[in-house]
Amino acid sequence: EPEVTQTPSHQVTQMGQEVILRCVPISNHLYFYWYRQILGQKVEFLVSFYNNEISEKSEIFDDQFSVERPDGSNFTLKIRSTKLEDSAMYFCASSLDSPGGNEQFFGPGTRLTVL
Amino acid sequence: AQTVTQSQPEMSVQEAETVTLSCTYDTSESDYYLFWYKQPPSRQMILVIRQEAYKQQNATENRFSVNFQKAAKSFSLKISDSQLGDAAMYFCAYQTSTSGTYKYIFGTGTRLKVLA
Repeated sequence: EPEVTQTPSHQVTQMGQEVILRCVPISNHLYFYWYRQILGQKVEFLVSFYNNEISEKSEIFDDQFSVERPDGSNFTLKIRSTKLEDSAMYFCASSLDSPGGNEQFFGPGTRLTVL
Repeated sequence: AQTVTQSQPEMSVQEAETVTLSCTYDTSESDYYLFWYKQPPSRQMILVIRQEAYKQQNATENRFSVNFQKAAKSFSLKISDSQLGDAAMYFCAYQTSTSGTYKYIFGTGTRLKVLA
Protein backbone atom coordinates (compact mmCIF):
# COMPACT_ATOMS: atom_id res chain seq x y z
CA GLU A 1 0.00 0.00 0.00
CA PRO A 2 1.42 3.41 -0.93
CA GLU A 3 2.75 5.49 1.95
CA VAL A 4 4.03 8.99 2.52
CA THR A 5 7.71 8.93 3.37
CA GLN A 6 9.84 11.57 5.10
CA THR A 7 13.56 12.08 5.43
CA PRO A 8 15.46 12.39 7.61
CA SER A 9 13.74 10.81 10.58
CA HIS A 10 15.76 13.01 12.94
CA GLN A 11 17.60 16.23 12.15
CA VAL A 12 19.82 18.06 14.60
CA THR A 13 20.92 21.56 13.70
CA GLN A 14 22.43 24.65 15.23
CA MET A 15 20.34 27.75 15.78
CA GLY A 16 20.49 30.02 12.76
CA GLN A 17 21.17 27.23 10.29
CA GLU A 18 18.94 26.35 7.36
CA VAL A 19 17.24 22.99 7.23
CA ILE A 20 15.27 21.24 4.53
CA LEU A 21 12.81 18.56 5.46
CA ARG A 22 11.85 16.21 2.67
CA CYS A 23 8.68 14.35 1.94
CA VAL A 24 7.59 12.02 -0.83
CA PRO A 25 3.78 12.11 -1.03
CA ILE A 26 1.69 9.33 -2.48
CA SER A 27 2.24 9.49 -6.21
CA ASN A 28 -1.21 10.36 -7.53
CA HIS A 29 -2.07 12.80 -4.76
CA LEU A 30 -2.58 16.44 -5.59
CA TYR A 31 -2.76 18.21 -2.24
CA PHE A 32 0.13 18.45 0.18
CA TYR A 33 0.40 19.63 3.75
CA TRP A 34 2.87 20.25 6.54
CA TYR A 35 1.95 20.03 10.20
CA ARG A 36 4.14 20.25 13.25
CA GLN A 37 3.94 19.11 16.86
CA ILE A 38 6.00 20.72 19.56
CA LEU A 39 6.63 18.21 22.36
CA GLY A 40 3.59 17.93 24.60
CA GLN A 41 1.47 20.22 22.45
CA LYS A 42 -1.09 19.83 19.69
CA VAL A 43 -0.37 18.90 16.13
CA GLU A 44 -0.67 22.24 14.31
CA PHE A 45 -1.32 23.01 10.68
CA LEU A 46 1.45 24.92 8.92
CA VAL A 47 0.66 25.05 5.21
CA SER A 48 -1.25 23.46 2.37
CA PHE A 49 -0.04 23.32 -1.22
CA TYR A 50 -1.86 22.65 -4.45
CA ASN A 51 -1.08 23.21 -8.10
CA ASN A 52 2.41 24.44 -7.28
CA GLU A 53 1.33 27.16 -4.95
CA ILE A 54 0.42 27.67 -1.33
CA SER A 55 -3.33 27.48 -0.85
CA GLU A 56 -3.35 28.29 2.85
CA LYS A 57 -0.82 28.98 5.56
CA SER A 58 -1.08 29.45 9.29
CA GLU A 59 0.25 32.27 11.41
CA ILE A 60 3.17 30.00 12.33
CA PHE A 61 4.25 29.85 8.70
CA ASP A 62 6.16 33.12 8.59
CA ASP A 63 8.85 34.34 6.20
CA GLN A 64 11.44 31.91 7.50
CA PHE A 65 9.42 29.00 6.15
CA SER A 66 8.99 28.01 2.54
CA VAL A 67 7.68 25.00 0.67
CA GLU A 68 8.51 23.65 -2.72
CA ARG A 69 7.70 20.80 -5.00
CA PRO A 70 10.96 20.74 -6.95
CA ASP A 71 10.07 17.73 -9.07
CA GLY A 72 7.19 15.36 -9.58
CA SER A 73 7.76 13.42 -6.41
CA ASN A 74 9.26 15.49 -3.60
CA PHE A 75 7.66 18.09 -1.37
CA THR A 76 10.01 20.05 0.86
CA LEU A 77 9.78 22.36 3.83
CA LYS A 78 12.66 24.79 4.27
CA ILE A 79 13.35 26.70 7.44
CA ARG A 80 15.84 29.43 6.60
CA SER A 81 17.22 30.41 9.99
CA THR A 82 16.19 27.96 12.65
CA LYS A 83 15.26 29.05 16.14
CA LEU A 84 15.15 27.04 19.33
CA GLU A 85 11.35 27.12 19.23
CA ASP A 86 11.34 25.39 15.85
CA SER A 87 12.26 22.16 17.62
CA ALA A 88 9.33 19.90 16.93
CA MET A 89 8.10 16.88 15.01
CA TYR A 90 7.18 17.86 11.47
CA PHE A 91 4.59 15.78 9.62
CA CYS A 92 3.98 15.81 5.92
CA ALA A 93 0.61 14.71 4.54
CA SER A 94 -1.01 14.32 1.17
CA SER A 95 -4.49 13.78 -0.17
CA LEU A 96 -5.90 12.84 -3.54
CA ASP A 97 -8.40 15.66 -3.52
CA SER A 98 -9.79 18.11 -1.06
CA PRO A 99 -13.51 17.99 -0.59
CA GLY A 100 -14.87 17.92 2.92
CA GLY A 101 -14.34 14.55 4.54
CA ASN A 102 -11.23 13.73 2.55
CA GLU A 103 -8.58 11.61 4.23
CA GLN A 104 -5.09 12.96 4.52
CA PHE A 105 -2.28 10.41 4.54
CA PHE A 106 0.56 11.21 6.89
CA GLY A 107 4.25 10.45 6.88
CA PRO A 108 6.07 9.20 9.99
CA GLY A 109 7.48 12.63 10.73
CA THR A 110 10.88 14.29 11.05
CA ARG A 111 12.03 15.19 14.51
CA LEU A 112 13.88 18.51 14.32
CA THR A 113 16.11 19.45 17.20
CA VAL A 114 17.57 22.96 17.21
CA LEU A 115 20.50 23.48 19.58
CA ALA B 1 -11.96 29.64 15.58
CA GLN B 2 -12.44 25.95 16.02
CA THR B 3 -10.81 24.10 18.90
CA VAL B 4 -10.47 20.43 19.79
CA THR B 5 -9.93 19.16 23.32
CA GLN B 6 -8.86 15.71 24.45
CA SER B 7 -8.93 15.69 28.21
CA GLN B 8 -7.35 12.27 28.76
CA PRO B 9 -3.58 12.34 28.18
CA GLU B 10 -3.34 8.61 28.84
CA MET B 11 -5.71 5.69 29.14
CA SER B 12 -5.22 2.01 29.89
CA VAL B 13 -7.41 -0.93 28.97
CA GLN B 14 -7.19 -4.63 29.55
CA GLU B 15 -6.93 -6.76 26.44
CA ALA B 16 -10.40 -7.78 25.18
CA GLU B 17 -12.09 -5.02 27.17
CA THR B 18 -13.76 -1.85 25.91
CA VAL B 19 -12.39 1.65 26.25
CA THR B 20 -13.77 5.06 25.35
CA LEU B 21 -11.60 8.02 24.43
CA SER B 22 -13.13 11.46 24.84
CA CYS B 23 -13.04 14.42 22.50
CA THR B 24 -14.89 17.70 22.59
CA TYR B 25 -14.75 20.51 20.10
CA ASP B 26 -15.98 24.00 19.59
CA THR B 27 -17.27 25.43 16.34
CA SER B 28 -19.88 27.76 14.95
CA GLU B 29 -20.17 25.81 11.71
CA SER B 30 -23.17 23.60 11.11
CA ASP B 31 -21.59 21.21 8.62
CA TYR B 32 -18.19 19.71 9.23
CA TYR B 33 -16.26 16.47 9.54
CA LEU B 34 -14.61 14.84 12.53
CA PHE B 35 -11.90 12.23 12.49
CA TRP B 36 -10.00 9.90 14.76
CA TYR B 37 -6.43 9.10 13.78
CA LYS B 38 -4.19 6.48 15.36
CA GLN B 39 -0.43 6.83 15.59
CA PRO B 40 1.40 3.64 16.62
CA PRO B 41 4.87 4.11 18.13
CA SER B 42 7.32 5.42 15.54
CA ARG B 43 4.76 5.05 12.77
CA GLN B 44 2.60 7.41 10.79
CA MET B 45 -0.88 8.50 11.71
CA ILE B 46 -3.57 6.42 10.07
CA LEU B 47 -7.26 7.10 9.81
CA VAL B 48 -9.43 5.13 12.21
CA ILE B 49 -12.86 6.56 11.58
CA ARG B 50 -14.61 9.68 10.32
CA GLN B 51 -18.00 11.26 10.98
CA GLU B 52 -19.98 13.72 8.92
CA ALA B 53 -21.77 16.18 11.16
CA TYR B 54 -24.96 16.20 9.15
CA LYS B 55 -25.31 12.45 9.57
CA GLN B 56 -27.03 11.56 12.80
CA GLN B 57 -26.00 7.93 12.64
CA ASN B 58 -22.78 7.19 14.48
CA ALA B 59 -19.96 5.89 12.32
CA THR B 60 -18.69 2.35 12.86
CA GLU B 61 -15.61 0.56 11.54
CA ASN B 62 -15.35 -2.99 12.84
CA ARG B 63 -14.33 -2.72 16.52
CA PHE B 64 -14.22 1.08 16.40
CA SER B 65 -17.29 3.24 16.79
CA VAL B 66 -18.03 6.81 17.72
CA ASN B 67 -20.57 8.46 19.94
CA PHE B 68 -21.28 11.73 18.16
CA GLN B 69 -23.32 14.22 20.16
CA LYS B 70 -23.64 17.27 17.94
CA ALA B 71 -25.47 19.46 20.41
CA ALA B 72 -22.92 18.72 23.12
CA LYS B 73 -20.05 18.99 20.60
CA SER B 74 -18.72 15.66 21.74
CA PHE B 75 -17.09 12.99 19.60
CA SER B 76 -15.86 10.01 21.61
CA LEU B 77 -14.20 6.90 20.23
CA LYS B 78 -15.11 3.47 21.54
CA ILE B 79 -12.77 0.56 20.99
CA SER B 80 -14.33 -2.82 21.64
CA ASP B 81 -12.45 -6.07 22.24
CA SER B 82 -9.17 -4.18 22.64
CA GLN B 83 -6.10 -5.78 21.12
CA LEU B 84 -2.41 -5.28 21.83
CA GLY B 85 -2.09 -3.68 18.40
CA ASP B 86 -4.48 -0.93 19.45
CA ALA B 87 -1.79 0.56 21.68
CA ALA B 88 -1.04 3.95 20.15
CA MET B 89 -1.57 7.67 20.39
CA TYR B 90 -5.07 8.61 19.28
CA PHE B 91 -5.79 12.04 17.87
CA CYS B 92 -9.19 13.60 17.44
CA ALA B 93 -9.37 16.05 14.54
CA TYR B 94 -11.81 18.61 13.18
CA GLN B 95 -11.67 19.35 9.48
CA THR B 96 -12.16 22.90 8.31
CA SER B 97 -11.56 25.04 5.27
CA THR B 98 -11.02 28.76 4.80
CA SER B 99 -9.56 28.69 1.32
CA GLY B 100 -11.14 25.68 -0.32
CA THR B 101 -8.41 23.39 0.94
CA TYR B 102 -9.35 21.37 3.96
CA LYS B 103 -7.01 21.16 6.94
CA TYR B 104 -7.19 19.43 10.30
CA ILE B 105 -7.34 20.94 13.74
CA PHE B 106 -6.08 18.35 16.17
CA GLY B 107 -6.46 17.68 19.85
CA THR B 108 -3.43 16.96 22.01
CA GLY B 109 -3.91 13.21 21.78
CA THR B 110 -4.60 10.34 24.15
CA ARG B 111 -2.01 7.64 24.64
CA LEU B 112 -3.72 4.26 24.90
CA LYS B 113 -1.99 1.41 26.67
CA VAL B 114 -3.34 -2.11 26.24
CA LEU B 115 -2.53 -4.49 29.07
CA ALA B 116 -2.12 -8.20 28.41
